[in-house]
Order: sequence, then structure tokens, then C-alpha cells
Amino acid sequence: GNSVTQMEGPVTLSEEAFLTINCTYTATGYPSLFWYVQYPGEGLQLLLKATKADDKGSNKGFEATYRKETTSFHLEKGSVQVSDSAVYFCALVHSLDYKLSFGAGTTVTVRA
Amino acid sequence: DTGVSQDPRHKITKRGQNVTFRCDPISEHNRLYWYRQTLGQGPEFLTYFQNEAQLEKSRLLSDRFSAERPKGSFSTLEIQRTEQGDSAMYLCASSPGGGRNTIYFGEGSWLTVV
Repeated sequence: GNSVTQMEGPVTLSEEAFLTINCTYTATGYPSLFWYVQYPGEGLQLLLKATKADDKGSNKGFEATYRKETTSFHLEKGSVQVSDSAVYFCALVHSLDYKLSFGAGTTVTVRA
Repeated sequence: DTGVSQDPRHKITKRGQNVTFRCDPISEHNRLYWYRQTLGQGPEFLTYFQNEAQLEKSRLLSDRFSAERPKGSFSTLEIQRTEQGDSAMYLCASSPGGGRNTIYFGEGSWLTVV
């Protein structure tokens, strides 16, 4: 079946550091890939998405590229801020399905 | 667009009581989903509606759980005879039709069973 594996946390960084969160997936065919962010006590917000191989999703300084050859969708940001402290979830939707499959989430804490 | 709205945001209930959560999806989204999230975990799929039809239920949805979506608009999730293991955040989400459309989540409803 479809599954997502993402880097375990927690991850603690200083402000302006470079952030990478690894995400790999297992799926047949061509899934759509997503990163969602969850701030403390809140629901999930879509951060970015990519629907086909080599697509790059970007938003708020975050980027992720859909790599079919390595079945990966790693999240990166070049210079994090304290306000980026949150839990980040990688997820996929299979082209023949309608529901998201999530990774376990990675908690990121950015210190001033 | 007002987004997906959930109510109540927080609920504390005694074990054995019934609770009901309401979800108002984004207008004209015909797909509606319920997920459950426990602390430190990713959301887990519970059930899915296409308009008013409930098309899939996860094995996580025991017979104490029931979800409805009358008239294909808002949805309710009821938990009967709550147990401490039901304590979680219940997330509602909606999307337009089509497999690759973005799924939008509400703020969630926190349930604590004491």
C-alpha cells in the first residue's frame, strides 16, 4: 500500500540555520505529494505540494522537489525563523485514491 | 472562503458519555473526510464522504463511532460510550472532486475523556 516515511525528530535549530526534513514514499503509479504544517494546538495547514515528477513546490521560503527516481520529497528552507517552529508532515495521495497517507511528523524548534 | 470549520474546538467528557462533533466544509467541496490524530502521531484516516454518501470507513472506526453528512453539506461525528482511548484530536477536511485536488483541514476538535 501507500506509505510515507519521514525523518524522525525532534529537530532543534538556531535562527537563520538551514533546515532539511527528509521524506520518502512508497506508492504505485504517480502520487501527489504534500507537506503540511501544524502549529501548536492547531489543525493542519497546507505548506506546499507537487503533483508530478520533477515538480517543485514552494511557499513561505520552503521548497520541496518531487524526485521519482529516489521516491523522495525532502523539505528545505534556507534560513529558518522562530515562527517556523511547528510539526511538519509529509503526505501523499495516490492518483487512484482520494485520501491522504501521512508520515509520523517531524517536530522542529527554532531558537532565537 | 471561510475554510473548514469545526465545533467544538475542545471537549472534556466523562468516560461512558456520548459526544458529537460538527464539521462545516468549504462551500461546494463535495468530498469530506474525518481523521484522528493522537499526540506525536500523524493523522489517521477514519471515514470519507462524497456528497451525502459515506464511501469508506476505516477499521479504526469502531461501532461506537458514527458519521453522517445529511444533504451533502455539514457532517457530524458521534462517539458513543466514550473510552479513555478515544482521547485525540478529530480533524475534518474537505476537497473538491478529483484525485489530485488539495485537501483542506479544519482546526480540529480536541477530545479528552476522563
